[in-house]
Amino acid sequence: KAGVTQTPRYLIKTRGQQVTLSCSPISGHRSVSWYQQTPGQGLQFLFEYFSETQRNKGNFPGRFSGRQFSNSRSEMNVSTLELGDSALYLCASSLAPSGAQETQYFGPGTRLLVL
Amino acid sequence: AQSVTQLGSHVSVSEGALVLLRCNYSSSVPPYLFWYVQYPNQGLQLLLKYTSAATLVKGINGFEAEFKKSETSFHLTKPSAHMSDAAEYFCAVRNTGNQFYFGTGTSLTVIP
Repeated sequence: KAGVTQTPRYLIKTRGQQVTLSCSPISGHRSVSWYQQTPGQGLQFLFEYFSETQRNKGNFPGRFSGRQFSNSRSEMNVSTLELGDSALYLCASSLAPSGAQETQYFGPGTRLLVL
Repeated sequence: AQSVTQLGSHVSVSEGALVLLRCNYSSSVPPYLFWYVQYPNQGLQLLLKYTSAATLVKGINGFEAEFKKSETSFHLTKPSAHMSDAAEYFCAVRNTGNQFYFGTGTSLTVIP
């Protein structure tokens, strides 16, 4: 079974631009979560989607948004990019969000550099 | 509120020596605890997880972790380090609201 895939793997943008990242979960997984990883802040939760609905949201500004499609693929968008948005963005999928025993499986990440 | 503390951002061990990576959690309810490993330029890979079935949890690559409620700890160990174990290790707790809280990570260096 294929793992979580994220595209693109690397991205360079300039301040003020917007960016869209894509995540395809493991087949059969309906929950997708997004994380931002930076050297200074570590791994921080962005949001989680299940059945096209946002279930949880971390403490990030409204410039960060996401959505999930009927095939469970998810996209996250960052508008008006800032230098501090440079990070590795990780996507994780699980079968379902309910029940804390669910294991998340992570993709390789998209590395975003904002110049 | 849940939080995870990983003591030691960098740990160095000799090849063949014991690996001990420390993780303490704070949780108001029994947590679900995880250890993940991240190799350079890759995502996170699950090593093992504790879901209250057994306090000693065995994972992949020879790693194991013991849940100690009295110490609120979930330390990761491996009897004999290999060069391939060099990576970043993250402890995480997942609450009943299904949010993950990650520790700041411990970078493991294995000295030949």
